[in-house]
Amino acid sequence: EAQVTQNPRYLITVTGKKLTVTCSQNMNHEYMSWYRQDPGLGLRQIYYSMNVEVTDKGDVPEGYKVSRKEKRNFPLILESPSPNQTSLYFCASSLWDRGTDTQYFGPGTRLTVL
Amino acid sequence: AQKVTQAQTEISVVEKEDVTLDCVYETRDTTYYLFWYKQPPSGELVFLIRRNSFDEQNEISGRYSWNFQKSTSSFNFTITASQVVDSAVYFCALSEMNRDDKIIFGKGTRLHILP
Repeated sequence: EAQVTQNPRYLITVTGKKLTVTCSQNMNHEYMSWYRQDPGLGLRQIYYSMNVEVTDKGDVPEGYKVSRKEKRNFPLILESPSPNQTSLYFCASSLWDRGTDTQYFGPGTRLTVL
Repeated sequence: AQKVTQAQTEISVVEKEDVTLDCVYETRDTTYYLFWYKQPPSGELVFLIRRNSFDEQNEISGRYSWNFQKSTSSFNFTITASQVVDSAVYFCALSEMNRDDKIIFGKGTRLHILP
């Protein structure tokens, strides 16, 4: 079964305490990406990756880091979280191939930074 | 700069009615992709379609259809014979063709299908 998993699903933390949200896909997709969703601001892309060791900034990369050492994993790292990073985060895995375009999202991680 | 506008913040229709969700985009690129996504009340995100700017043919998938018009920079989404399960927030999005996964989203349209 095609799947994108994210962990943790819920996290409450304090300002400045480094955290990592993991994302893993089982479809061997080259493309992966991270989004955050905030009321009134909608969905915004944080980072994306077109393949192993290839990443690029989305719309709102400040305060986040990513790495893509293996095709299946794309962790999102908050080195020093701040309250304005309280949000709902989604990871996605994509296959963009004319006629078979598809994209799967993880279930989301709700992060609260106090 | 790229921009996606979904002017309809919220729409309510009675079940079995047809409904069209509008999407207008701005881009300086001549080649780009357009997307639609669905987010039901349960919160998950569901990819519906990706269409490239070279292909202006309308797309139909069951009760869903998409109308791409380059002349008006629009990529509208129509649900025919709506059902309660179609109630969701729908997002339109845009990406540059040479940066396949850099995606800009509209603010979304919340669709209520009333029984």
